Amino acid sequence: DTGVSQDPRHKITKRGQNVTFRCDPISEHNRLYWYRQTLGQGPEFLTYFQNEAQLEKSRLLSDRFSAERPKGSFSTLEIQRTEQGDSAMYLCASSLATGTGAYEQYFGPGTRLTVT
Amino acid sequence: AQSVAQPEDQVNVAEGNPLTVKCTYSVSGNPYLFWYVQYPNRGLQFLLKYITGDNLVKGSYGFEAEFNKSQTSFHLKKPSALVSDSALYFCAVRPSGNTGKLIFGQGTTLQVKP
Repeated sequence: DTGVSQDPRHKITKRGQNVTFRCDPISEHNRLYWYRQTLGQGPEFLTYFQNEAQLEKSRLLSDRFSAERPKGSFSTLEIQRTEQGDSAMYLCASSLATGTGAYEQYFGPGTRLTVT
Repeated sequence: AQSVAQPEDQVNVAEGNPLTVKCTYSVSGNPYLFWYVQYPNRGLQFLLKYITGDNLVKGSYGFEAEFNKSQTSFHLKKPSALVSDSALYFCAVRPSGNTGKLIFGQGTTLQVKP
């Protein structure tokens, strides 16, 4: 399968614990995005990278959230001191951007986080 | 504030009938517009996009969408619905300017009955 993959698919953690999610984009894609989706809502943008540079962060991305893409390939999203409000589906997407324009984003299956 | 609205939580249509899923947006400038579909336990799948040019855009699985700048709408259509089209549909907008983010609507559940 050459699509976007995410690991783990499900994560249950206790409030206050740290969690880390991994995303592997489509191999030739230079952009990688993170979104959060809660039940009954559309995905909300968190952040995106072009290669290893983090170019944009949403106000939703509090200080407890950090994302990295150290070599411009896979990315990790870490949530520190998790809260129950962090329970959501975390989606990763990637795209190939070769200039300015509208590049469709290809989504992974998501990581479902439950904070108890 | 920039936003996307999908005014219907659910659309019901009989198989073989035409379907429309509505989307309106409030974004400055000339945005790029997208439709995605989400099947149960699967990731979002890209259907089609509008960048510029012809207001009627054709996409995957026989879907098309009509862009209307004056009404700031981008409605998804299909001439003849299939039961297998039943899924959750999201409209999304990429604002103009130096951004990579997509702004999504809340989604519309399409139910096609045999």
